[in-house]
Amino acid sequence: ETGVTQTPRHLVMGMTNKKSLKCEQHLGHNAMYWYKQSAKKPLELMFVYNFKEQTENNSVPSRFSPECPNSSHLFLHLHTLQPEDSALYLCASSPLGQAFGSGANVLTFGAGSRLTVL
Amino acid sequence: AQSVTQLDSQVPVFEEAPVELRCNYSSSVSVYLFWYVQYPNQGLQLLLKYLSGSTLVKGINGFEAEFNKSQTSFHLRKPSVHISDTAEYFCAVSQGAQKLVFGQGTRLTINP
Repeated sequence: ETGVTQTPRHLVMGMTNKKSLKCEQHLGHNAMYWYKQSAKKPLELMFVYNFKEQTENNSVPSRFSPECPNSSHLFLHLHTLQPEDSALYLCASSPLGQAFGSGANVLTFGAGSRLTVL
Repeated sequence: AQSVTQLDSQVPVFEEAPVELRCNYSSSVSVYLFWYVQYPNQGLQLLLKYLSGSTLVKGINGFEAEFNKSQTSFHLRKPSVHISDTAEYFCAVSQGAQKLVFGQGTRLTINP
């Protein structure tokens, strides 16, 4: 248990469905991230939130909609996905406000949500 | 732009043998370097990090890595591996912002 919990661990959805992925961290961190992990590709950063505010959107299609109601919770709302969106979606968190490099870049990851789009 | 190259997609070794997983990065400025490990059906876990200071960095589970600025490398080593080290290993680089750039990963398989 890393302190970052993702649910559900597995999700199968059709292209017309609407579903959400949830992430919760119990580490007191102020930054949260969504990454996409596809087979044979490097991890791709999708979104970054600092103190609930989105600071990074890495050209992610609008069918992925993030929501960060507070520093401990992060959601990824999914609608009208494509089969190529099937992947492992990883949530991570990190501290902010520390001396540069000492901890701000150290991400703690959840176990991921394995998404299959049919 | 930064990039990370992990030269081997798969590395099979025998138990108790030494292993080196290679990582090269491209950046014209100072960087911070990381190795993460992903065990089956789990997320990524930090193995070790280089932020500054000694170029030889020791991490968890007996792993270490050496930062070589002239060769822009950050290779991961372990003198004697165990079956439990079977996992995928990711090298990552950051220039200090929150954008970590990851390599494609190296799958380490330990054979008895």
